[in-house]
Amino acid sequence: GQQVMQIPQYQHVQEGEDFTTYCNSSTTLSNIQWYKQRPGGHPVFLIQLVKSGEVKKQKRLTFQFGEAKKNSSLHITATQTTDVGTYFCAGPGNQGGKLIFGQGTELSVKP
Amino acid sequence: NAGVTQTPKFRVLKTGQSMTLLCAQDMNHEYMYWYRQDPGMGLRLIHYSVGEGTTAKGEVPDGYNVSRLKKQNFLLGLESAAPSQTSVYFCASSLLAGGIGQFFGPGTRLTVL
Repeated sequence: GQQVMQIPQYQHVQEGEDFTTYCNSSTTLSNIQWYKQRPGGHPVFLIQLVKSGEVKKQKRLTFQFGEAKKNSSLHITATQTTDVGTYFCAGPGNQGGKLIFGQGTELSVKP
Repeated sequence: NAGVTQTPKFRVLKTGQSMTLLCAQDMNHEYMYWYRQDPGMGLRLIHYSVGEGTTAKGEVPDGYNVSRLKKQNFLLGLESAAPSQTSVYFCASSLLAGGIGQFFGPGTRLTVL
């Protein structure tokens, strides 16, 4: 079945270092979404990418959608302790209305 | 606006007991979802609804039932709880099709002994 894979599963960085998480789909996606979940919290929608090769920025966060629309990445420049949490990518399922989430990348930031 | 709310926040059940989790949203969203979250497994879709009176199966529907009698409410039922259903359950809603821009509730932590 359709799968969305994320790597790495965990990433520990020193504050100020950069961080990247990668998302790969077994099928071509019409769009990809990214969510952030703080420890003990619930997922919060960050962004949606739709176009092949699209790049979007939110302050220190840069999101990319691959040319083949099967992969995506989230890059955080100069991490801060407020970036701590788990980042999930999600793509639409084969049937309308569904989202398939990756397993998430848990980011910890050491001050 | 309260957004998406879930009741209860915590619950402990014994094997074989039943319960209903309630999700309510005040954003007039058509689409609603129930997920479970387990360590290392991400979010897995249990059931979803594309509008009042409709429901559909997600990735892991076995052992759960749902109902969407009113647009703002989405109920998740466990008829006979099993320890494998110990998890954190999240409800979500979205305005757009394809689950775009989902708003999540705070979650229900369920333990089945």
